[in-house]
Amino acid sequence: GESVGLHLPTLSVQEGDNSIINCAYSNSASDYFIWYKQESGKGPQFIIDIRSNMDKRQGQRVTVLLNKTVKHLSLQIAATQPGDSAVYFCAENVLTGNQFYFGTGTSLTVIP
Amino acid sequence: KAGVTQTPRYLIKTRGQQVTLSCSPISGHRSVSWYQQTPGQGLQFLFEYFSETQRNKGNFPGRFSGRQFSNSRSEMNVSTLELGDSALYLCASRRGDQQTQYFGPGTRLLVL
Repeated sequence: GESVGLHLPTLSVQEGDNSIINCAYSNSASDYFIWYKQESGKGPQFIIDIRSNMDKRQGQRVTVLLNKTVKHLSLQIAATQPGDSAVYFCAENVLTGNQFYFGTGTSLTVIP
Repeated sequence: KAGVTQTPRYLIKTRGQQVTLSCSPISGHRSVSWYQQTPGQGLQFLFEYFSETQRNKGNFPGRFSGRQFSNSRSEMNVSTLELGDSALYLCASRRGDQQTQYFGPGTRLLVL
C-alpha cells in the first residue's frame, strides 16, 4: 500500500524562528502533494501544494520543497508565530481520479 | 465562495445505532471524499464519490456506506455503531478535473 510518513511526530520552536517539517513518501508515481494545517477541533486547512514537475514553491511565509530523488517533502515556515501551532500533514496523490494518502502528522508547538 | 460544510458538527450515539452524516461541497466541486480521523490511526480514507458514483473505496467494513446526490452533496452512513467508530469524520471536496482537495470542519462522533 501507499505510505506517507513524517520523520518527527512533534516539533517545538521559539517564536520568530523558522520551522521545518519533513515528510517522506513511498510512491514514486505521486505527482501532486499538499500540506495541510490542522488546529485543534478543526478540519485540515490547505496551506500549499506542489506538483512533481517543480522542486520548490513559495507562499506567504511558507515554502515547500520537493526532492523526488529521495522522495522527500518539506514545509518551511518563516518567522514562526504562536498561531502556527497545529498539526501539519503532508498528502500525496497520483492523478485526479485517485485517492490521497496522508502522513501521520507533525505537531508543531511555538514557544512564545 | 463558501467552503465545505458538514452537519451535524457533534453527535453522540450508542452502540448498535446507526448514523448519517452530511457534507456539502464547495460550489462547482463534484468530488467528495470521506475520511475517518482518530488519534491512533490518523486520517484514513473511507471513499470518494464523483458524479453520484463511488470512484474509490478504502479498507473499511460494509457498515460504512455513502452516497452522493445530483447536487454533489454527499451523505455517509454507519450502521451498527461500535465503540471504535468514535472519531472525527471529515469530508473533502475537489473539482473533478483538479487534484486540490479542501476539507470541511468535520463531524465529531462519540459512540457510547
